[in-house]
Amino acid sequence: QVQLVESGGGLVKPAGSLRLSCAASGFTFSDYYMSWIRQAPGKGLEWVSYISGNGRIIYYADSVEGRFTISRDNAKNSLYLQMNSLRAEDTAVYYCARLKDTYDILNGYQPDWAFDIWGQGTMVTVSS
Amino acid sequence: QSALTQPASVSGSPGQSITISCTATSSGVGDYNYVSWYQQHPGKAPKLMIYEVSNRPSGVPDRFSGSRSGNTASLTISGLQAEDEADYYCNSYTISSTLVFGGGTKLTVL
Repeated sequence: QVQLVESGGGLVKPAGSLRLSCAASGFTFSDYYMSWIRQAPGKGLEWVSYISGNGRIIYYADSVEGRFTISRDNAKNSLYLQMNSLRAEDTAVYYCARLKDTYDILNGYQPDWAFDIWGQGTMVTVSS
Repeated sequence: QSALTQPASVSGSPGQSITISCTATSSGVGDYNYVSWYQQHPGKAPKLMIYEVSNRPSGVPDRFSGSRSGNTASLTISGLQAEDEADYYCNSYTISSTLVFGGGTKLTVL
């Protein structure tokens, strides 16, 4: 079945680094934009970043621009988030999510800009 | 501060209808028809309920509907049920090619 499984979370000191992974299965990974979304304890959802199916289109939230790097390996059906210069305010559950898309004969697969499949999340705690 | 404003909480009794609003407070947000809604139960991952303002994914009950008027999108739940009690978030694609969530609304079924 369609599934996303995150891993790589844990406890890290401020200014430290961490790399999150998301393993996808049950669908043609390379056809979809993918995204990271986070949720601080007791807080709302915050979009972090997304990447196109071929990896050429990437956007970040202002809060992580220059510190986080999203990437993907379509051969391994995997999405990644390299997080550097971590701060206490980066403490959150990080979700990997697939962006729903529609096939267009002229433009191929185009995102509908809605997250239709979510992983279970991985917790990142930044603390000394 | 989120560019999408939602009420912090709404409530309703079983069988009633409730509406959750999502108002774009920044220019360039909500200009597209790419507004989606998510339901999140405690300790669980969010679930897509509505996409492109008013479309329901397969498996989502037709009690859930979405609409938009100007810079405000709305999620309406009719025939409220106990299992609808959850947090609800709106999301929109922006003119900057980014995405933004509303602050979330806690729905209480009385």
